[in-house]
Amino acid sequence: GQQLNQSPQSMFIQEGEDVSMNCTSSSIFNTWLWYKQDPGEGPVLLIALYKAGELTSNGRLTAQFGITRKDSFLNISASIPSDVGIYFCAGTPRGGTYKYIFGTGTRLKVLA
Amino acid sequence: GAGVSQSPSNKVTEKGKDVELRCDPISGHTALYWYRQSLGQGLEFLIYFQGNSAPDKSGLPSDRFSAERTGGSVSTLTIQRTQQEDSAVYLCASSLRDTLYEQYFGPGTRLTVT
Repeated sequence: GQQLNQSPQSMFIQEGEDVSMNCTSSSIFNTWLWYKQDPGEGPVLLIALYKAGELTSNGRLTAQFGITRKDSFLNISASIPSDVGIYFCAGTPRGGTYKYIFGTGTRLKVLA
Repeated sequence: GAGVSQSPSNKVTEKGKDVELRCDPISGHTALYWYRQSLGQGLEFLIYFQGNSAPDKSGLPSDRFSAERTGGSVSTLTIQRTQQEDSAVYLCASSLRDTLYEQYFGPGTRLTVT
C-alpha cells in the first residue's frame, strides 16, 4: 500500500546531540502525526499537527507541518538513551479522514 | 485511564489453522482500526470500524481475513487457514471518533505461522 517517504532510515547519534528527521509525500496531506515505537510495543503518539505551517512542541520534541502540506519534520533536542526506538510519521491525505498513511520509519540509536 | 489492550500478546500457530485476535479499545472510543506490521516495516491498514459497522474493509489482504465488532467495543480479527506470509504483528488502534485523527494503539499481537 501507499507509504510516506521518511528519512533517514536509521541514525546513530551521541547522547546530547540534536536529531532531525523528515517525512515527505507527493500529495497534499490534511494532518501529520508523529509516533514512537519501542520494541514489542505499539506506536505511541508524540505530536499531532493540523494546520500548514503549524509548529508544535512536546518537551524536547518539536514537529512542524510543512507549508506545502506535503512534508513534516520532527526534531529531538539533547537526545538521551531512552529516545532510542523507531519513529513513524503518519498522515491523512486530502479527502481522507480516518485512514492513516504511515512512513517507513526512522530507527534511532543513541550512544551513551 | 486504561489504554487499548490486545490479546493474546503472542500466538504461534500451524499453517492452515484459524486464529482469532482480540482488541479492547479505550472506553468511549467509537472508532477502531486494525493494522498489520511486518518485520521492520511500517503499518499497513486492514480495516476500520465506526461503531459496529465496517465502512472500509479495503485493506484486508484476502477473503481469509475477517473482522467483527460487537457492542461498539471489543473487536475480533479472524484469519482462516493461516499462511506463513500472515506472520506479522497485528496492531489495533482506537479514536474518539473517526473525524478525530488521534489514534491510540495497543501493544499488538505477534502472530507466527509455522
